[in-house]
Amino acid sequence: GEDVEQSLFLSVREGDSSVINCTYTDSSSTYLYWYKQEPGAGLQLLTYIFSNMDMKQDQRLTVLLNKKDKHLSLRIADTQTGDSAIYFCAESVNQAGTALIFGKGTTLSVSS
Amino acid sequence: KAGVTQTPRYLIKTRGQQVTLSCSPISGHRSVSWYQQTPGQGLQFLFEYFSETQRNKGNFPGRFSGRQFSNSRSEMNVSTLELGDSALYLCASTFQETQYFGPGTRLLVL
Repeated sequence: GEDVEQSLFLSVREGDSSVINCTYTDSSSTYLYWYKQEPGAGLQLLTYIFSNMDMKQDQRLTVLLNKKDKHLSLRIADTQTGDSAIYFCAESVNQAGTALIFGKGTTLSVSS
Repeated sequence: KAGVTQTPRYLIKTRGQQVTLSCSPISGHRSVSWYQQTPGQGLQFLFEYFSETQRNKGNFPGRFSGRQFSNSRSEMNVSTLELGDSALYLCASTFQETQYFGPGTRLLVL
């Protein structure tokens, strides 16, 4: 079945770039997403990429997609302490994007 | 526009009871999906409703059910609660292949 894997923890210093990696298994996934979750909160959509794209940039966020290797990454430039949170990678298992398979999440810790 | 709202935010039940959770999607969104989040299993897809019909279903037992009303509001029901049903239940409404999540309902089963 479909599976999404992420490393569990990343620690960076304020001002550095953070790169969170993710691998997925369903090659037919149409959309891939990055969500952020802060303690006690729901999921906040950060960005998403359509499967026929290689890269998407949105302010401090850059998403890279290697469809051949089924590898997705999220780069956060100039990481701030407010970026400390859990980041989830997700793939859509249907065209409508209404059923997502999530990774276990990567906890990003930013120190000043 | 107001975001996705979920009620109640917190709930405590005992084993064997049943529970109903409610989700109001963003105005104009017709699809509502439900997810369970636990420390062990992470985020898992429960089901999705669109135009009052269940359109997709995850791998959960029949104790988990849902419905959607004509105004797109959705409810999910869990019958015969087990300790392992303790979780954060998240709903999301979808527009143009993008899901927007509510704050969740935290359910504790004692």
